Amino acid sequence: AQSVTQLGSHVSVSEGALVLLRCNYSSSVPPYLFWYVQYPNQGLQLLLKYTSAATLVKGINGFEAEFKKSETSFHLTKPSAHMSDAAEYFCAVSPFGNEKLTFGTGTRLTIIP
Amino acid sequence: EAGVTQFPSHSVIEKGQTVTLRCDPISGHDNLYWYRRVMGKEIKFLLHFVKESKQDESGMPNNRFLAERTGGTYSTLKVQPAELEDSGVYFCASSQRSEAFFGQGTRLTVV
Repeated sequence: AQSVTQLGSHVSVSEGALVLLRCNYSSSVPPYLFWYVQYPNQGLQLLLKYTSAATLVKGINGFEAEFKKSETSFHLTKPSAHMSDAAEYFCAVSPFGNEKLTFGTGTRLTIIP
Repeated sequence: EAGVTQFPSHSVIEKGQTVTLRCDPISGHDNLYWYRRVMGKEIKFLLHFVKESKQDESGMPNNRFLAERTGGTYSTLKVQPAELEDSGVYFCASSQRSEAFFGQGTRLTVV
């Protein structure tokens, strides 16, 4: 069985500050891990994914995530927040990469001007 | 190239009525998934089609939900009769290999 925990349903950061969204997973097999973003009135868009290659994964819009097996974590970061980053972010896990995704509860990111 | 398209974007129906949601996947994508997000909770898997066959329907909540994918193209998800707890956002996604592309979702409100 797989599960995902996202700590913090709401996160607020100042424009230009570091963004850190936390994700911990549980998986009985080496997982594929994903971060999706949902902007207002849009569908889910893939930010980045971990597929057992490099542990530091770079995604779109300046985001990156680091896979830490010892901590079962896949936290999402961005060095400097921009107003356009305001959205809801979802961490997800899949056992084989092209199977059903198990999502976390999501984190709504607010950027303070 | 068109993305995953879902119809309608919003639907408000009364308890006991029937609603049909439609999903048009990206052309050529064999895999089609339905997910649901209820009341700000996590997005939960409902079922997975490979072409016209149901590969995994372990997430379907009960027999009031019926999904079809005739001809392996578009898919419909029918809820009959709808209950209050069926309210939520229904997402469709399609994939050919490892990346799933999501539609904008259908917001269903049962009153």
